[in-house]
Amino acid sequence: EADIYQTPRYLVIGTGKKITLECSQTMGHDKMYWYQQDPGMELHLIHYSYGVNSTEKGDLSSESTVSRIRTEHFPLTLESARPSHTSQYLCASSDWAREDEQYFGPGTRLTVT
Amino acid sequence: GDSVTQMEGPVTLSEEAFLTINCTYTATGYPSLFWYVQYPGEGLQLLLKATKADDKGSNKGFEATYRKETTSFHLEKGSVQVSDSAVYFCALSDRHSNAGNMLTFGGGTRLMVKP
Repeated sequence: EADIYQTPRYLVIGTGKKITLECSQTMGHDKMYWYQQDPGMELHLIHYSYGVNSTEKGDLSSESTVSRIRTEHFPLTLESARPSHTSQYLCASSDWAREDEQYFGPGTRLTVT
Repeated sequence: GDSVTQMEGPVTLSEEAFLTINCTYTATGYPSLFWYVQYPGEGLQLLLKATKADDKGSNKGFEATYRKETTSFHLEKGSVQVSDSAVYFCALSDRHSNAGNMLTFGGGTRLMVKP
């Protein structure tokens, strides 16, 4: 059973607000990822991290930022939310021994009005 | 670059029907291949994997065979259940590509199984 958590599960927020989506894992995994999932279900990698103090941008350009101060925690922040940010955000993690087997959190569904 | 193409859905089947979801890939190296499943309201879960040509991955009655000659990794199940209703993602990782072991996902195929 994967132990990766995301909060909140659902968020409705107005344009211009600053938001942080939380992601935590208790498996001690070094690698963590953020994906954006559009309504057509396609997944886009927006950020990833190899470990503490490491952050990289993914394939899809995103206005969000991430930080990795602790191994278990990989929050995603939007400084000023816009309707175009409305989407499902999925966090995942993996360890170095099996880095292509990713464990996913349940997701945060964000709606910006 | 690497890419994964899977059949568009939704795929609608009656319970106990045979399932095939097609997946083909393009890769520069020697990828590992995966099927992930996403049940409603949840994140993705690894369903099965195969790491080299002719390997067969299997789990929960699902199976897929790594076919290098046709660059395919089709998902099959002999008798689907209502509880199999979900979105299925084919994916690859290619340690020889610039992306290293990052996963490249297909667009997902929604399966709906009716009682």
